[in-house]
Amino acid sequence: DTAVSQTPKYLVTQMGNDKSIKCEQNLGHDTMYWYKQDSKKFLKIMFSYNNKELIINETVPNRFSPKSPDKAHLNLHINSLELGDSAVYFCATSKTGVSYEQYFGPGTRLTVT
Amino acid sequence: AQSVTQLDSHVSVSEGTPVLLRCNYSSSYSPSLFWYVQHPNKGLQLLLKYTSAATLVKGINGFEAEFKKSETSFHLTKPSAHMSDAAEYFCVVSVGQKLVFGTGTRLLVSP
Repeated sequence: DTAVSQTPKYLVTQMGNDKSIKCEQNLGHDTMYWYKQDSKKFLKIMFSYNNKELIINETVPNRFSPKSPDKAHLNLHINSLELGDSAVYFCATSKTGVSYEQYFGPGTRLTVT
Repeated sequence: AQSVTQLDSHVSVSEGTPVLLRCNYSSSYSPSLFWYVQHPNKGLQLLLKYTSAATLVKGINGFEAEFKKSETSFHLTKPSAHMSDAAEYFCVVSVGQKLVFGTGTRLLVSP
């Protein structure tokens, strides 16, 4: 039973389109995150939600909008896709607290052409 | 600001030889530190974590790391490399609720 799942696994789309990535967790954690991994493997946090409330919002273009319909789901919607948005996007979850480890999903590879 | 520096972008070892992946941290207080591994085209898996308990931390797959405050280091080691250890390894520090990743070290294991 997958702990953190993401759909789709691969997403190829054209510039200017709008797309969504979904994340679901069954760990019962109350904090969820989105990370972006660029072509050089560098990982950076984008957003974090705790109990459906946005608590971390790094300097991300406002074309990116996270939505958390409930504690088990955190979706990422991206408007007007650009070439530079091509990356692997990872969802992660944790218990609330600074020392709790985060559990990552398998990633969604987004390619914008 | 809290950060981590991974000193090697690539490390090459032969199967059966020891592994050492180096990480230095910068923190104004006692940090929470982690090592994650990413196999090709896979997600990230937690290897081990340090949270101000024992300074020698044992993780999965025979990996361990030692927190050395005097050296601000958190190096990852394994006594004997296996082919399946070939992957990207990330040293990570917890900053509040978010993780700050190092730039990664690619471990190459040759037969």
